Amino acid sequence: QQPVQSPQAVILREGEDAVINCSSSKALYSVHWYRQKHGEAPVFLMILLKGGEQKGHDKISASFNEKKQQSSLYLTASQLSYSGTYFCGTGGGSQGNLIFGKGTKLSVKP
Amino acid sequence: GAVVSQHPSWVICKSGTSVKIECRSLDFQATTMFWYRQFPKQSLMLMATSNEGSKATYEQGVEKDKFLINHASLTLSTLTVTSAHPEDSSFYICSARDPRSSVGYTFGSGTRLTVV
Repeated sequence: QQPVQSPQAVILREGEDAVINCSSSKALYSVHWYRQKHGEAPVFLMILLKGGEQKGHDKISASFNEKKQQSSLYLTASQLSYSGTYFCGTGGGSQGNLIFGKGTKLSVKP
Repeated sequence: GAVVSQHPSWVICKSGTSVKIECRSLDFQATTMFWYRQFPKQSLMLMATSNEGSKATYEQGVEKDKFLINHASLTLSTLTVTSAHPEDSSFYICSARDPRSSVGYTFGSGTRLTVV
């Protein structure tokens, strides 16, 4: 079951904040976040494995609400380099693979 | 960190020909690798799971005779698109996970296939 991401797209000015949500109709055991720039492969951002877990790197952080079967990615004081499409991936594929949401396109303008 | 190398980065071929894409795990052994396809502005869709020493597992709707997968060693998986057609034009990406690492899946750099 493909996780649902929202919003589909967001446009920000440099320095603004954004939140991207990822929810699933199935129980979540892990959530992976990736960023993909146009024409490039996805780049791993972070993985959340435990309900209630929160982690971050630089000004990007994420939380995992196991009970609500959702995760959120927080981008604070956005930089131009944050532009790209963000995908959440959930475990549980029949082959141990990740199942990706449709992506959220983030555009940061000067 | 875990590195996955994918070649070529792009390829243009004529309809009816075959194209091979290689995916290598450079600093770890991967018994399982995943092949994804991504059409413009769409998500990554799993095509097949490559298993070292055994047959690949294909997702529903993916023709196994058209997309041949070989995983002959613990560090190399290949995807061959046979008798390519323009509708096969897409971005193909492989992925693997270092079992020693808590980091997520690592992706290759992707291969842009254009069939003319």
